[in-house]
Amino acid sequence: DTAVSQTPKYLVTQMGNDKSIKCEQNLGHDTMYWYKQDSKKFLKIMFSYNNKELIINETVPNRFSPKSPDKAHLNLHINSLELGDSAVYFCASTRARGETQYFGPGTRLLVL
Amino acid sequence: GQNIDQPTEMTATEGAIVQINCTYQTSGFNGLFWYQQHAGEAPTFLSYNVLDGLEEKGRFSSFLSRSKGYSYLLLKELQMKDSASYLCAVYSGAGSYQLTFGKGTKLSVIP
Repeated sequence: DTAVSQTPKYLVTQMGNDKSIKCEQNLGHDTMYWYKQDSKKFLKIMFSYNNKELIINETVPNRFSPKSPDKAHLNLHINSLELGDSAVYFCASTRARGETQYFGPGTRLLVL
Repeated sequence: GQNIDQPTEMTATEGAIVQINCTYQTSGFNGLFWYQQHAGEAPTFLSYNVLDGLEEKGRFSSFLSRSKGYSYLLLKELQMKDSASYLCAVYSGAGSYQLTFGKGTKLSVIP
């Protein structure tokens, strides 16, 4: 069984559209994250939720809005997509803050 | 601010040993991780150090010196499948336990 899963795996869309990426973990972890990995492969934290509560909110445009309906799910909604949003978005989870993070397979977003 | 430095690229020969260094300056320290990332795939956990010293795990070892803000990942008996990016990441404190990643070291293993 996949521990951390993301959908979709690939997303190609036009500038200006709104899209969502979903993440689910079946590890029973309390904390989940969204990371962005750009073309230079730099992995940068965007958001973190602990038990459905937002605990990390980095300097990210407010077009990006995370939502955690329960502690096993963390979704990312992006409004008015821009060319610079093209990247790979990884979801990760950890049992508790300070412990090993486990990553999902990534969502490759291409904005045309 | 947080700053994590590691070499951008390294090349090593199959069967050899390679050491990938990482230096960090962070506000608070709650552990250092090494992740492996193959092209087009997710990062996968390799090792974790929170106390000074060497942690060994098969062909992979990781060392930490907190006073020097320094770690290295040692890969022995290199195999072609070890060609990947290796990411150093540090948990800083201040309550948020944010994991900050270095830019990664792309290792190429050649025959």
